[in-house]
Amino acid sequence: ETGVTQTPRHLVMGMTNKKSLKCEQHLGHNAMYWYKQSAKKPLELMFVYNFKEQTENNSVPSRFSPECPNSSHLFLHLHTLQPEDSALYLCASSQASGGAETQYFGPGTRLLVL
Amino acid sequence: GQNIDQPTEMTATEGAIVQINCTYQTSGFNGLFWYQQHAGEAPTFLSYNVLDGLEEKGRFSSFLSRSKGYSYLLLKELQMKDSASYLCAVKDSNYQLIWGAGTKLIIKP
Repeated sequence: ETGVTQTPRHLVMGMTNKKSLKCEQHLGHNAMYWYKQSAKKPLELMFVYNFKEQTENNSVPSRFSPECPNSSHLFLHLHTLQPEDSALYLCASSQASGGAETQYFGPGTRLLVL
Repeated sequence: GQNIDQPTEMTATEGAIVQINCTYQTSGFNGLFWYQQHAGEAPTFLSYNVLDGLEEKGRFSSFLSRSKGYSYLLLKELQMKDSASYLCAVKDSNYQLIWGAGTKLIIKP
């Protein structure tokens, strides 16, 4: 248990569906991240929030839409996804200090797009 | 470009020692991390190196040579539960984490 929870753990959706992934951290951190993990590929950073403000958007398609209502919660809204979006989506948090702080990860949501 | 290289897969025997190498080419360096990830679970932090040398933490040790752009994770007295993927990541000059693809370690009895 890392102090970061994600729901749902598994999700199957069609290309026309709309769904949301949820992440919650109980560590008192002020930065939160969304990553995409595909088999045998490096983790891909998607979005970063510092103090609820989005600071990174690494050329992610608009069919992925993040939301950070407060420093403990992070959402990833999904719509009209493609089969190649099937992957493990990981949330992480850290105490942002402009230095080499450690990121703590949730267990991920395994997403399958049909 | 920036990249992190580590072997895709390694196999070792229970009770033995294994060394997982990581080489990196990044724009700047602000530390190197090793994470462990069991199948279907979250990556968990193992170690952080920012200065050259060896950091020992129980059965696990991590080594860094900044001049060579090289690190290794050493696992001693291997146990079956050490079967997992090991991820190497480097913070660049912008404090962005650059990740390797991970090394899947298989432990055999």
